[in-house]
Amino acid sequence: EAEVAQSPRYKITEKSQAVAFWCDPISGHATLYWYRQILGQGPELLVQFQDESVVDDSQLPKDRFSAERLKGVDSTLKIQPAELGDSAMYLCASSPDRGNMGLAKNIQYFGAGTRLSVL
Amino acid sequence: RKEVEQDPGPFNVPEGATVAFNCTYSNSASQSFFWYRQDCRKEPKLLMSVYSSGNEDGRFTAQLNRASQYISLLIRDSKLSDSATYLCVVNAGTNAGKSTFGDGTTLTVKP
Repeated sequence: EAEVAQSPRYKITEKSQAVAFWCDPISGHATLYWYRQILGQGPELLVQFQDESVVDDSQLPKDRFSAERLKGVDSTLKIQPAELGDSAMYLCASSPDRGNMGLAKNIQYFGAGTRLSVL
Repeated sequence: RKEVEQDPGPFNVPEGATVAFNCTYSNSASQSFFWYRQDCRKEPKLLMSVYSSGNEDGRFTAQLNRASQYISLLIRDSKLSDSATYLCVVNAGTNAGKSTFGDGTTLTVKP
């Protein structure tokens, strides 16, 4: 079964350092999402890509976070500088984008996530 | 007020019990609805989509009430393996639009 790949699985860093997370979506999925999930809460959307274009980054703290998906396939999320409050699970998801799939194209498939601890 | 609200629980039920979760949403233009399951320290996985006419998958039944803006999930004959957090997801449109997750309802099924 195809999976969304994320790396690293765990990251420990000190505040003010830079961190980067990588995601490779399921092959052929045009839509890619980055979420942040704090313990006890649901995933919060940070950025959504359609192919290589950003379609929603309204909740992305742009002073320190950046995301790119240059070739419309894999994606990188960066934080610089990291702050204590950034400690969370960062989840990547992808979904198909085919007009004849109805609701199915909104189904999201998640990677295992990157657990970030900022000390 | 959050866009998608769920009772956080926890719900503690014995094996074999029937349990129901509700989820309310504030955007009346929402188009598609889902229930995801998330095991402890794992990623969310789709449990089932929610259709306007209601739908059933084995022991799980999902209902949508557009007039009152809520969706529900009913689990019959609970199993130990049903213990997880159940996330309600509301999507703004049919074109891979923005999805908003609730904070989840935690279920623990006990022997």
